[in-house]
Amino acid sequence: EAGVAQSPRYKIIEKRQSVAFWCNPISGHATLYWYQQILGQGPKLLIQFQNNGVVDDSQLPKDRFSAERLKGVDSTLKIQPAKLEDSAVYLCASRASGGTSGELFFGEGSRLTVL
Amino acid sequence: GDSVTQMEGPVTLSEEAFLTINCTYTATGYPSLFWYVQYPGEGLQLLLKATKADDKGSNKGFEATYRKETTSFHLEKGSVQVSDSAVYFCALSANQAGTALIFGKGTTLSVSS
Repeated sequence: EAGVAQSPRYKIIEKRQSVAFWCNPISGHATLYWYQQILGQGPKLLIQFQNNGVVDDSQLPKDRFSAERLKGVDSTLKIQPAKLEDSAVYLCASRASGGTSGELFFGEGSRLTVL
Repeated sequence: GDSVTQMEGPVTLSEEAFLTINCTYTATGYPSLFWYVQYPGEGLQLLLKATKADDKGSNKGFEATYRKETTSFHLEKGSVQVSDSAVYFCALSANQAGTALIFGKGTTLSVSS
């Protein structure tokens, strides 16, 4: 079974530029999450999708971050304009329908450096 | 709100030593508790879980018991190996459908031969 795929693995941009990250969850997984992991901290939830609907985006900085999950499969997370404090690893995770709450499958992450 | 606190790292041990990584939580209701592990260059993966009080999760020689009275879920292993070197995250999920994970800050374990 293929895992959660993310790209790009690494991205370096200047502040005020924009960036987009892509995630392809495990086939059939209805729930998709984006987490932000700043160096030395645990992952923090940015947004959760159920199919193509948003379940929780309460911690997403909506003035600069946006995310979508068209057709309930792939998802894209965008940052525009980026700030220095956005330097982090962006993790995508998915969960099977009916799976144990909290049993998530994670991708390897996309590491963003903002200069 | 709900939160997880785990011991600061790094933890440095010799092979075959006993490991304990402390984790305590704050939550309303009765959450499920998890330990996730991140090996170098890999994504986070579930190590073990417990869904109710007094449950013991176990996997790969690691164990953790859900202690409601002390709101703890400490990770233990009797004899660590070099291959156990990784970052370990304690996490909780409120027992409601679709609730996301809340993570601790992570503890880095380094095991030397």
